[in-house]
Amino acid sequence: KAGVTQTPRYLIKTRGQQVTLSCSPISGHRSVSWYQQTPGQGLQFLFEYFSETQRNKGNFPGRFSGRQFSNSRSEMNVSTLELGDSALYLCASSLEGVEAFFGQGTRLTVV
Amino acid sequence: AQTVTQSQPEMSVQEAETVTLSCTYDTSESDYYLFWYKQPPSRQMILVIRQEAYKQQNATENRFSVNFQKAAKSFSLKISDSQLGDAAMYFCASQETSYDKVIFGPGTSLSVIP
Repeated sequence: KAGVTQTPRYLIKTRGQQVTLSCSPISGHRSVSWYQQTPGQGLQFLFEYFSETQRNKGNFPGRFSGRQFSNSRSEMNVSTLELGDSALYLCASSLEGVEAFFGQGTRLTVV
Repeated sequence: AQTVTQSQPEMSVQEAETVTLSCTYDTSESDYYLFWYKQPPSRQMILVIRQEAYKQQNATENRFSVNFQKAAKSFSLKISDSQLGDAAMYFCASQETSYDKVIFGPGTSLSVIP
């Protein structure tokens, strides 16, 4: 059974640009969550989607957005990138909403 | 507010020995979930063990076991017979309800000395 797949693995962007990250959950998992991991703030919850609906959202500015497609794949978008957005972005999927399986993350560097 | 605290930024253990990682949490719920995740240098977060708060019995998974003290809001992880592959960052985490956000502690970096 394939795990959670995140693409791309690494990304370098310039301040002011926008970026889209992709996450394919484990087959059959309908819940997808996104987290930002930085050395200073640790792991912080961004948002969670279930059946194409955002049900939970963390304390991030509106520049961070996401969506989920009918096949449960999810995308996360960050507009007007800032240096502080440099982080490891982790996606997790869940079958029953409790046990989360994580992808390997996308390392975003903003220069 | 839901919080998770790990007071040990770094720990080390001799190979084959036992180590205990500490975690305290705070929640207003009576039923919730607690987890320990492992993040090796590859950055892949791996679930080590989970505990449902309504279960009094401490969870165990092979060499990993927890000491869950609900009244004290304490959730420590014991690793027995430590192996080199156990070296990683360990995160304690809590979740108040199914499909809710998972709150992570700051992590404990575990080194295993050969």
